[in-house]
Amino acid sequence: GIQVEQSPPDLILQEGANSTLRCNFSDSVNNLQWFHQNPWGQLINLFYIPSGTKQNGRLSATTVATERYSLLYISSSQTTDSGVYFCAVGQSNTGNQFYFGTGTSLTVIP
Amino acid sequence: DAGVTQSPTHLIKTRGQQVTLRCSPKSGHDTVSWYQQALGQGPQFIFQYYEEEERQRGNFPDRFSGHQFPNYSSELNVNALLLGDSALYLCASSTGHTDTQYFGPGTRLTVL
Repeated sequence: GIQVEQSPPDLILQEGANSTLRCNFSDSVNNLQWFHQNPWGQLINLFYIPSGTKQNGRLSATTVATERYSLLYISSSQTTDSGVYFCAVGQSNTGNQFYFGTGTSLTVIP
Repeated sequence: DAGVTQSPTHLIKTRGQQVTLRCSPKSGHDTVSWYQQALGQGPQFIFQYYEEEERQRGNFPDRFSGHQFPNYSSELNVNALLLGDSALYLCASSTGHTDTQYFGPGTRLTVL
């Protein structure tokens, strides 16, 4: 299967700070999503971004498929941004099976 | 438009018992995937159902089985429960090969 590495594993920020989360993957993919897992376990879709750049409010993401990495940017962080961020990738020849990284645990301190 | 729903929310079983978890996909979605998430880990793919058949399977033993119904809802069955089966079980629905996957709130299973 595809290996997915996320960094950093843990991140502690002061409210208002910016951060960059990274996702490296070991093979070509045509499906990549970023998720935020809240304390209750719900995985919330942030971006579907197999390539290119997208922005949604304070969040943006960039995937460079040819170099097999994706970045998630969080600007002006808020305490509600706390939680675990996962990158998940998939290939068309395996349908929609996702390979997940181990996540980045973000804590935003007021 | 209802999202992905799962039931029950929590479940406590003892070793050796059997359990059935349920998932209803998002409206318009025909594909259901199941994932197991152990504490502190990322979700691991169990299997995927499409057109009432298992289309793909991850590295899980035969104790894990599933079913998809004509209305696209799905069940995950686990037999002969082990302590190591304690985890959050997540269901995701989608359509097509490259569409966004949407996850349900999960079922937290504890095996004592």
